[in-house]
Amino acid sequence: QVQLVQSGAEVKKPGSSVKVSCKASGGTFSSYAISWVRQAPGQGLEWMGRIIPILGIANYAQKFQGRVTITADKSTSTAYMELSSLRSEDTAVYYCAREESSSLGGYFDLWGRGTLVTVSS
Amino acid sequence: QSVLTQPPSVSGAPGQRVTISCTGSSSNIGAGYDVHWYQQLPGTAPKLLIYGNSNRPSGVPDRFSGSKSGTSASLAITGLQAEDEADYYCQSYDSSLSVHWVFGGGTKLTVL
Repeated sequence: QVQLVQSGAEVKKPGSSVKVSCKASGGTFSSYAISWVRQAPGQGLEWMGRIIPILGIANYAQKFQGRVTITADKSTSTAYMELSSLRSEDTAVYYCAREESSSLGGYFDLWGRGTLVTVSS
Repeated sequence: QSVLTQPPSVSGAPGQRVTISCTGSSSNIGAGYDVHWYQQLPGTAPKLLIYGNSNRPSGVPDRFSGSKSGTSASLAITGLQAEDEADYYCQSYDSSLSVHWVFGGGTKLTVL
């Protein structure tokens, strides 16, 4: 069955960028959308944005507009999330999640294990 | 603060029933969008628990159930077990321009 395999932990300096990958192992993205959700230490879940890999269309939460770029490579069934101008508040675990869409709002039926991004000088 | 409101914590003894509420507004739950629930065990990724307000994915015990009414939803857990101790999150879609998918702040369930 399909698993979402994410890249390893990162330590970044404030002001730099980070790019996290999410590969569908054992299958493809098919027509699913892939979302990125982050979780700061001890905090809740926060949706950042999504992409429909088969179409290459991405949209983002307003909070992250201009700082986040989500892309996908259909040929390798890999999605990427790049966050720029990093600050300490961006320290979090970043998850990719497969979205099961519906007309009444989608849900996330498959999650990656998460990638810890630490922003520290 | 989160768009969807959950109690920070709930607790119950083994075998008891607990409920977790999730309150939204007219741009999300009240607009008719479905509510979904996730269970997050310590140090792990969230896991889908309930989708489409009241449906359980394969493998989720029927001790877990969901409901929705108006601008709120609830997750009920009956026959509480020690392994149910986790964080629980509700999620829905929001039609406002600023964000699409929204989560509750999470509820920590403690099994006494």
